[in-house]
Amino acid sequence: DADVTQTPRNRITKTGKRIMLECSQTKGHDRMYWYRQDPGLGLRLIYYSFDVKDINKGEISDGYSVSRQAQAKFSLSLESAIPNQTALYFCATSDSRQGSNQPQHFGDGTRLSIL
Amino acid sequence: AQSVTQPDIHITVSEGASLELRCNYSYGATPYLFWYVQSPGQGLQLLLKYFSGDTLVQGIKGFEAEFKRSQSSFNLRKPSVHWSDAAEYFCAVGALGAQKLVFGQGTRLTINP
Repeated sequence: DADVTQTPRNRITKTGKRIMLECSQTKGHDRMYWYRQDPGLGLRLIYYSFDVKDINKGEISDGYSVSRQAQAKFSLSLESAIPNQTALYFCATSDSRQGSNQPQHFGDGTRLSIL
Repeated sequence: AQSVTQPDIHITVSEGASLELRCNYSYGATPYLFWYVQSPGQGLQLLLKYFSGDTLVQGIKGFEAEFKRSQSSFNLRKPSVHWSDAAEYFCAVGALGAQKLVFGQGTRLTINP
């Protein structure tokens, strides 16, 4: 979904480095999410934010932190990267103002490799 | 807690053949159910969704899915696949409405010419 932009698209880094993945959206949605995708495991929720002042942990938040800088921006940080955080990361958005049943819209992903 | 199982990791079908991808869910309340497709190098695109009402839902690209409460299933179907349907397919169930999704493991679809 071109309205949800993730940067960078690819990143290779070393163990112990601090990394930030960024997500911005032009959809005007209030809710934003970070997932990671691993082969055979589907997508798992890392953090989600229902508005700028609301941050919630997902099922696998250890080793990650997030910042909701504005309604349109939601960044994911790895303070000290480790190899098992190598994965494909997705940002998603949804609009609660249309009702609780609105689907999530995904960016194209960031492929992160930690050596 | 809700969960989703996609029993088939990989399916191969011939172009023009029919397709059914299986999805079973576990959720205590009325589920919000989704199918997404992921083409290589791209994000997830919504194919269809079920919230209530008619248990047979139509989606984009000629896909449909049927909600069967008695079987806790939400299988995806297409009468005749095209080579462009080769992708990975994810079933998801929503908690708090659709605001938190739990995904299945995914099914990779390969199309033989």
